[in-house]
Amino acid sequence: QSALTQPPSASGSPGQSVTISCTGTSSDVGGYNYVSWYQQHPGKAPKLMIYEVTQRPSGIPDRFSGSKSGNTASLTVSGLQPEDEADYYCLSYAGANNLGVFGTGTKVTVL
Amino acid sequence: EVQLLESGGGLVQPGGSLRLSCAASGFTFSSNAMSWVRQAPGKGLLWVSAITATGITTYYADSVKGRFTISRDNSKNMVFLQMNGLRADDTAVYFCARGGSSGRLDYWGQGTLVTVSP
Repeated sequence: QSALTQPPSASGSPGQSVTISCTGTSSDVGGYNYVSWYQQHPGKAPKLMIYEVTQRPSGIPDRFSGSKSGNTASLTVSGLQPEDEADYYCLSYAGANNLGVFGTGTKVTVL
Repeated sequence: EVQLLESGGGLVQPGGSLRLSCAASGFTFSSNAMSWVRQAPGKGLLWVSAITATGITTYYADSVKGRFTISRDNSKNMVFLQMNGLRADDTAVYFCARGGSSGRLDYWGQGTLVTVSP
């Protein structure tokens, strides 16, 4: 399985929105509604932000939202805040008997 | 409170072995799949291995298949990763995470560093 494709970087000013794409194939992103997103600050463990494409775990602000169209999933962070500056990774289920596949990661900078 | 605490990392020579452990608490361990995810220095995440709640089914990344073995002890709330035939490109921080192949890795440990070097 090849890594899902994410843009290396994205940025926005405080209060603005940023959207990160995650492109796979019909064998992963396009084939199932099991895409999750993780936020990782430097030196820290990843944190689950979105699961099953659109679902937010308890405690995650509604500024974070997910969507999917075809083979591309997206994470939108609205009302950017300084603490949103981090690396973001998508992860997609890739079928029975397979481990999921992570995206290449996107560094979000709050200007 | 869910807690995952990894241990067992360290410096090992190429071809050597290490056994990582992850102690879980704060949830019903025997009802949850568990996974190991690694991150090489400055690189992205790679899902290394997963094991179902019962331990019957295991999954591995192609890059570690045949060298790494995941296991669990539900009586002790622990999951393990036995790593044999280690190579320089196995150097990474190894994270233990709750969740399995569906991809909802909802809790993560802080990671343990494995360095493979002569």
